[in-house]
Amino acid sequence: EDQVTQSPEALRLQEGESSSLNCSYTVSGLRGLFWYRQDPGKGPEFLFTLYSAGEEKEKERLKATLTKKESFLHITAPKPEDSATYLCAVLDNYGQNFVFGPGTRLSVLP
Amino acid sequence: NAGVTQTPKFQVLKTGQSMTLQCAQDMNHNSMYWYRQDPGMGLRLIYYSASEGTTDKGEVPNGYNVSRLNKREFSLRLESAAPSQTSVYFCASNPRVKEVKPQHFGDGTRLSIL
Repeated sequence: EDQVTQSPEALRLQEGESSSLNCSYTVSGLRGLFWYRQDPGKGPEFLFTLYSAGEEKEKERLKATLTKKESFLHITAPKPEDSATYLCAVLDNYGQNFVFGPGTRLSVLP
Repeated sequence: NAGVTQTPKFQVLKTGQSMTLQCAQDMNHNSMYWYRQDPGMGLRLIYYSASEGTTDKGEVPNGYNVSRLNKREFSLRLESAAPSQTSVYFCASNPRVKEVKPQHFGDGTRLSIL
C-alpha cells in the first residue's frame, strides 16, 4: 500500500529564514511526485511535478528535489506570502489514483 | 477561466438529512475525483470517475454515492448524513486517469453535520 508522510507537521519561520519541508513516500514504483500549495479556505494549487530521482524544479523562492525515498521542498528567504499548507502526493506504477500526505503548515512571520 | 467549480461552499445538516454536492469543470478533462480533507489526515479519495459513464470507489466510499452526469459534472450524494461525515470536500479533475498530470481542485465545500 502506498504511503506518504510529511514533516514537520508545522513550521514557523522568520522572514528570510530558509528551510526545507520533507515528503517521504513508499510506493510500488513512482511515476510522479506532486507538490501543491493550499491557502486557508481554498483548494490545493499545483506547484511542481517530479518524475525521477535526481530531478529538481524551481519556481521563485521554492525548489523541489527528489530522491528514491523522499522529496524536499526548499524555501529560500521566505516572505509572509509564502505562508500556506504544502501538500505532496504520489502516483504509482498502477497510475490509477493519487496518494496525498497530510501536509506541512508553514507560517512566515514578518 | 473557472476551472473546477463546487457548490455549495458551506452547508450545515442535521443527522439523517440528505444532500448533494455539485462539481463542474470546464477544462474538458476526462477524470474527476471526490476527496474529503480532515485535520491531520490529508486528502482521502471517496470516489472517482475515470471517464464519462464510469465510477469507482476510492479509499473511503461508505456513506456516499456519486453520479457522473456528463463529461463536465460529477456529483457526490450523502443519503443519510452522519456526524463522522463532517469534513471539507474537494472535487478535482485531470486530463486522464493514469496520465502523469497534476489534478486541478475546486475550493471545497465545508460540511457540518449536527
